Amino acid sequence: SYVLTQPPSVSVAPGQTARITCGGNNIGSKSVHWYQQKPGQAPLLVVYDDVARPSGIPERFSGSNSGSTATLTITRVEAGDDADYYCQLWQNSDHPWVFGGGTKLTVL
Amino acid sequence: EVQLVQSGAEVKKPGESLKISCKTSGYTFTNYWIAWVRQMPGKGLEWMGSMDPSDSDTRYSPSFQGQVIISADKSISTAYLQWTSLKASDTAMYYCARLSPRYFDLWGRGTLVTVSS
Repeated sequence: SYVLTQPPSVSVAPGQTARITCGGNNIGSKSVHWYQQKPGQAPLLVVYDDVARPSGIPERFSGSNSGSTATLTITRVEAGDDADYYCQLWQNSDHPWVFGGGTKLTVL
Repeated sequence: EVQLVQSGAEVKKPGESLKISCKTSGYTFTNYWIAWVRQMPGKGLEWMGSMDPSDSDTRYSPSFQGQVIISADKSISTAYLQWTSLKASDTAMYYCARLSPRYFDLWGRGTLVTVSS
């Protein structure tokens, strides 16, 4: 089935910009969605359909998707952004909903 | 307010059966697919399966096909995840989530299942 590849960890200082990548074969032709999961909490949708933000998600969170890489960008990183982030897509197959392995964002 | 309220934590022995629930409110239950997602301790998210409550059409991940049963009761807007014979390797947090339809837009808080002799 389709494989989504994320870096295990990303570190960034407060106030800087974090970029979390999600690689996959021709991923730019698919819609990618992103979730934030803080310790002890359920995942939270932060970006859907590559670039859209659900109500209540700060503008600091944005997404892009082209070629073989989708990217979640978090500007002006805050301590509260320290969390695991997962990319996900849907494909027409016997395994329609696929998650990446997750990236732990550490705010230094 | 839209909510997905999951049943409480469970501690079971290997070989026992279990059915956990996800009660929804605040939206029309039959208008959205419901999914179940597993998270093993310290690990990532795994899609297990999804159901259309309007007609009970169900899709399972090949990894979970035959291992669990997903069902729903439209009359009480509740989805279920069921095991007939638990294994220690089923120890995990299980989340229900609403599908919209290609992404998971709302999540329950999770049900922790511990299987130990």
